[in-house]
Amino acid sequence: SSGLTQPPSLSMSPGQTARITCSGDALPNQYASWYQQKPGQVPVLLIYRDTERSSGIPERFSGSSSGTIATLTISGVQAEDEADYYCQSTVSIGTVVFGGGTTLTVL
Amino acid sequence: QVQLVESGGGWVKPGGSLRLSCAASGSTFRNFYMSWIRQAPGKGLEWISYISSSGTTVYYADSVKDRFTISRDNAKNSLDLQMDSLRADDTAVYYCASTRTTPNWYFDLWGRGTLVTVSS
Repeated sequence: SSGLTQPPSLSMSPGQTARITCSGDALPNQYASWYQQKPGQVPVLLIYRDTERSSGIPERFSGSSSGTIATLTISGVQAEDEADYYCQSTVSIGTVVFGGGTTLTVL
Repeated sequence: QVQLVESGGGWVKPGGSLRLSCAASGSTFRNFYMSWIRQAPGKGLEWISYISSSGTTVYYADSVKDRFTISRDNAKNSLDLQMDSLRADDTAVYYCASTRTTPNWYFDLWGRGTLVTVSS
């Protein structure tokens, strides 16, 4: 499959560490990027090239990748982190895919 | 800081056409690779088209190939998306986004989006 698979939802308490996974056959050969989209807002780039944090993104957001799974980690989840999170990669030149998105709820 | 502002969205009947535009502030637009990405109501993100900085290279997702046409005018700092043969499942918020391509593709700057509704 050329798609990316994410868990639909994740619930965390403030201060916990959230790990959002993204699974795809292309990931061993392609970098993953991550986006945050809060309700009613525009997506914001968090992570690119698997692990690089975009400008202005807090250090509690980090990315990693191993084999067919990329992971976004949020260390010390805060209420303001409640949002939808999307992974994205390039299957081939000219073909971009997004994961289905994970809704993070902070209880 | 470059800003992107989309326009041209609205309501259109199935089979109709619509042209979206994305205006970029700043003189560096000509150096940007650009994409259109859409999001159906309550759904996830879908990349649909890309254009190189010079406009010579374009790509489309299968879902819009042969119906949508991406173009740009660097002299006017603008990006367009001509959408023909529209279908109900084209209903979405359409975002233009700056596209980085090295070493992989990602989208680092997004406009606020424009809503397209296809309905009879």
